Amino acid sequence: QAVVTQEPSLTVSPGGTVTLTCGSSTGEVTSGHYPYWFQQKPGQAPRTLIYDTNNKYSWTPVRFSGSLLGGKAALTLSGAQPEDEADYYCLFSYGGARVFGGGTKLTVL
Amino acid sequence: EVQLEESGGGLVQPGGSLRLSCEGSGFTFRNYWMQWVRQAPGKGLVWVSFIDSDGTTISYADSVKGRFTISRDNAKNTLYLQMNSLRAEDTAVYFCIRGLTVDYWGQGTLVTVSS
Repeated sequence: QAVVTQEPSLTVSPGGTVTLTCGSSTGEVTSGHYPYWFQQKPGQAPRTLIYDTNNKYSWTPVRFSGSLLGGKAALTLSGAQPEDEADYYCLFSYGGARVFGGGTKLTVL
Repeated sequence: EVQLEESGGGLVQPGGSLRLSCEGSGFTFRNYWMQWVRQAPGKGLVWVSFIDSDGTTISYADSVKGRFTISRDNAKNTLYLQMNSLRAEDTAVYFCIRGLTVDYWGQGTLVTVSS
């Protein structure tokens, strides 16, 4: 089974920009992995922010964007807000299986 | 309003069985693939299984293959996860999720495997 790797933790200043990434043990991440990004705050169910690399839902704040960057999937937060402090997870599709990354704890400080 | 409500969690002994349910409302349940994801206390998300809209395409994570069975009853708008031969490492909150685009999540149900 593939392993999906995320930065364990990142810190961003309020109003700043940060990019979270997800890599795959199988090699380059492509649109065929249908990357998803989720946000989870303590005590809450996760919320989906991005699907299929860069598509947003109606509830996805404009400041979040998804992309492919340097062979990885990336989630960029531009103009961080205190309420963006959370755990972030990515999810890749590998044919009939799905694999989550280990999560990134994002601190806004 | 789309809602997913899981139920059936609880305390079970190692080797025991449990069946989780997830009732969907506010959307046409039979039109959507459905998935299960779990999260052990203080740990990350782990994908468990998916099932297509009519139950003919199913997939499992290696960690649950042969022990867990996903199914659905579209007449009852309900997704199920039959969990057998439970182990301590299956202890987690189990979330049901709508669709391949993973748009809506339930609030989860806690399964604790312990003697």
